[in-house]
Parts: sequence; structure tokens; C-alpha cells
Amino acid sequence: QQQVKQSPQSLIVQKGGISIINCAYENTAFDYFPWYQQFPGKGPALLIAIRPDVSEKKEGRFTISFNKSAKQFSLHIMDSQPGDSATYFCAARGGGATNKLIFGTGTLLAVQP
Amino acid sequence: DVKVTQSSRYLVKRTGEKVFLECVQDMDHENMFWYRQDPGLGLRLIYFSYDVKMKEKGDIPEGYSVSREKKERFSLILESASTNQTSMYLCASSGSKQGGGELFFGEGSRLTVL
Repeated sequence: QQQVKQSPQSLIVQKGGISIINCAYENTAFDYFPWYQQFPGKGPALLIAIRPDVSEKKEGRFTISFNKSAKQFSLHIMDSQPGDSATYFCAARGGGATNKLIFGTGTLLAVQP
Repeated sequence: DVKVTQSSRYLVKRTGEKVFLECVQDMDHENMFWYRQDPGLGLRLIYFSYDVKMKEKGDIPEGYSVSREKKERFSLILESASTNQTSMYLCASSGSKQGGGELFFGEGSRLTVL
């Protein structure tokens, strides 16, 4: 019940295309859903996040779509660029003051020029 | 700029050795975390601390211990390293007053146990 399932494991997209990464969860107590981006040799960094009372959040080319009834959320990268090539992790927070996050298994995105 | 610094980027140790991984944050954050990153398994929480001298087990604490004597420093200890502990270790911090749950990560310590 504490898992966050992420797919696909890897993704190849052409420059200018749309990248879509999906995550699903079981625990309805999760109250915050961030996406982290990790470049090679670096630690993950927060990219965008959403709370369950909102169905969509957009920041530039990055959009989170959230389906509370299906317990699913996804990251869409519009007009994908080679500089977006990275590993993406979805996550969910179980609540409480410690900000403990449960991470998905990650998606390695390669955007081809 | 917020900063989480992991003192060792690359370590090579032998089976049975005691290993210390150090992490320092300069953001006065209450919470600090140690994660392990393995291909196909994502980020798994080893231990976390929400205050000085406090610690809680994460999802995979076996074979590890931690120490937090000062607010800014959180150490991960492998008492007797084993080959299955070869991995990338990531330290992170967060401030409970921030809301939003943002974790700030260090660049990682890649440990190889021979």
C-alpha cells in the first residue's frame, strides 16, 4: 500500500515530441505528489508538484495530470528537448511533518535530436 | 543557494570494513534523510532524522546505522560493509516549516564494496 508504481522504465522521444510518464499509488492518505528530475552525476531536484485537490498543474513545458479516483498521476513534457534527457522520479508523501516521500522506480528519458 | 554536501563522491571499500558517509546541509533544515539508489529500484529510504539525536528507520535499514549529533550533519554508517551494499547513496534535507515536501539532495556518494 506504500508503493508508487512508475512506468515506463525507459523512454525514447524525438525532439519536439511529447514525453509521458505514468505513476499509480494505492494509499489514499498520500497528500502531495512531486516529480524529481535527475541529471547524470547529480542528485535529484524538484521539478514540479501537485496536491490531490487539483487535477492539473502546468509549469512551462511540464504538466502534471492527476486522477484522484483512479489513483494515478502523470508527467507530460511538451516539445521535448535533448536537454530534458534525464531520469525522472515520481513520488508521494504520506503526510506528517517529516516530509517522508515514497519514490517510484524512475524513468530514463532520452530525447533524440 | 541551498546546499547539501556529501563529502565523498566515490569510495572503494573491502568487505567487512566500517564505512562512514558524511552529509552536511547549510539550510538549517530539521529533517535529513539517507536514500539508496539502485537501477530499476528507484530511491529507497534507509534512515531519516527529524531532529538532533533523533532517528527513524526507513524501508531498508538493515546493515546501516546513522548519527545526528548536530543539526547540520547526518552520517550514515555501514558497520561491516558487504558487496550487496555497493550502491549510490543520496543524502537529502527538508525543512518541516516549508510545506510542500521539497527535498534537497546532495550529489551522491558512489560506494563500491569489493
